[in-house]
Amino acid sequence: KQEVTQIPAALSVPEGENLVLNCSFTDSAIYNLQWFRQDPGKGLTSLLLIQSSQREQTSGRLNASLDKSSGRSTLYIAASQPGDSATYLCAFRSGGYNKLIFGAGTRLAVHP
Amino acid sequence: SQTIHQWPATLVQPVGSPLSLECTVEGTSNPNLYWYRQAAGRGLQLLFYSVGIGQISSEVPQNLSASRPQDRQFILSSKKLLLSDSGFYLCAWRADGYEQYFGPGTRLTVT
Repeated sequence: KQEVTQIPAALSVPEGENLVLNCSFTDSAIYNLQWFRQDPGKGLTSLLLIQSSQREQTSGRLNASLDKSSGRSTLYIAASQPGDSATYLCAFRSGGYNKLIFGAGTRLAVHP
Repeated sequence: SQTIHQWPATLVQPVGSPLSLECTVEGTSNPNLYWYRQAAGRGLQLLFYSVGIGQISSEVPQNLSASRPQDRQFILSSKKLLLSDSGFYLCAWRADGYEQYFGPGTRLTVT
């Protein structure tokens, strides 16, 4: 069974800290992995997409890495801000029609 | 640029009533389209996907159905809602680089 595990489930930190969110997956033959942000009651916002041939992707204060051999991805958030508070979801693509397998998410709270 | 719309934003329906949720995409042609459901305390689950007009694939057996009457329109339906159909329904489309983009979602409460 294909599964995604995200650790920790919840995280509360003071503003300015550097953060690491973890994602592990069971299928080493993934096509790509995508990180999303979800604000309460809202849809998902795509943050980063890492193709299976890549090791990492960066966008602003965000950096995502992918290690297929160990089945892990990390999302690094530098200099966290209160506006970063949200739930962060990772999902990997499995199959030819681009089905995404999602983790349950990490709920992040950054307080001033 | 591409935009994805969903409506309604929220919906409260009694058990046994019909359902129709609509998703439309602008700014792209012949996209792969997806319906996901996010139940309280659970992750997102793929319900249906479509690679073209009239082409629908179902991921899990359930009380719901989907249709794609036009290239950029994807509809989720039910003839008779169950309490277990409550949840947050999200439509998504896939870009050429295989990145998926999601709509704002519809919050469905079945009473």
